[in-house]
Amino acid sequence: GEDVEQSLFLSVREGDSSVINCTYTDSSSTYLYWYKQEPGAGLQLLTYIFSNMDMKQDQRLTVLLNKKDKHLSLRIADTQTGDSAIYFCAENNYGQNFVFGPGTRLSVLP
Amino acid sequence: GAVVSQHPSRVICKSGTSVKIECRSLDFQATTMFWYRQFPKQSLMLMATSNEGSKATYEQGVEKDKFLINHASLTLSTLTVTSAHPEDSSFYICSAPGQGVNEQFFGPGTRLTVL
Repeated sequence: GEDVEQSLFLSVREGDSSVINCTYTDSSSTYLYWYKQEPGAGLQLLTYIFSNMDMKQDQRLTVLLNKKDKHLSLRIADTQTGDSAIYFCAENNYGQNFVFGPGTRLSVLP
Repeated sequence: GAVVSQHPSRVICKSGTSVKIECRSLDFQATTMFWYRQFPKQSLMLMATSNEGSKATYEQGVEKDKFLINHASLTLSTLTVTSAHPEDSSFYICSAPGQGVNEQFFGPGTRLTVL
């Protein structure tokens, strides 16, 4: 079945850039998403990218998609302490269930 | 691993009726559960946070009188779509956090079609 993988932890210093990586197996994925989960809260959609795009930028967030390698990344520029959270990568083929990665816990150090 | 179930998996109802969707954590207790809704061609959007023994917390723009949430036990949360209309037709998913690092268990979803 479909699978989405992420590393579980990432630590960066405040002000540096964070890059969270994700790989997926379903080559028919139509949409790829990044969700953010703060402690005790539900997942909040951060951004998404259609599979026919290579890059999407939204303020401090840059999403890169390498469809050939099935690799998705989320770059957060000028990382702040408020960015500390768990980031979930997810893929969805229109009409099918979502498949989520295990989540990457981002810790921002002062 | 931990499992979250939803019932029913699919429901079709007439406009004006109410529909109840159950979310159960099968082998673990969940003081908190989350309800999401997926719109066609769109992503999963958080609707509300269900808290055992207290009122649910709704996201902005979600009508709490329309989408009633009850978290009566540590293993069951229910979402009732009251006086459903065709625009409520959607895929509803619940999730519950686990004990482990980053753990989040998702239910299989309920597809609601309102005629």
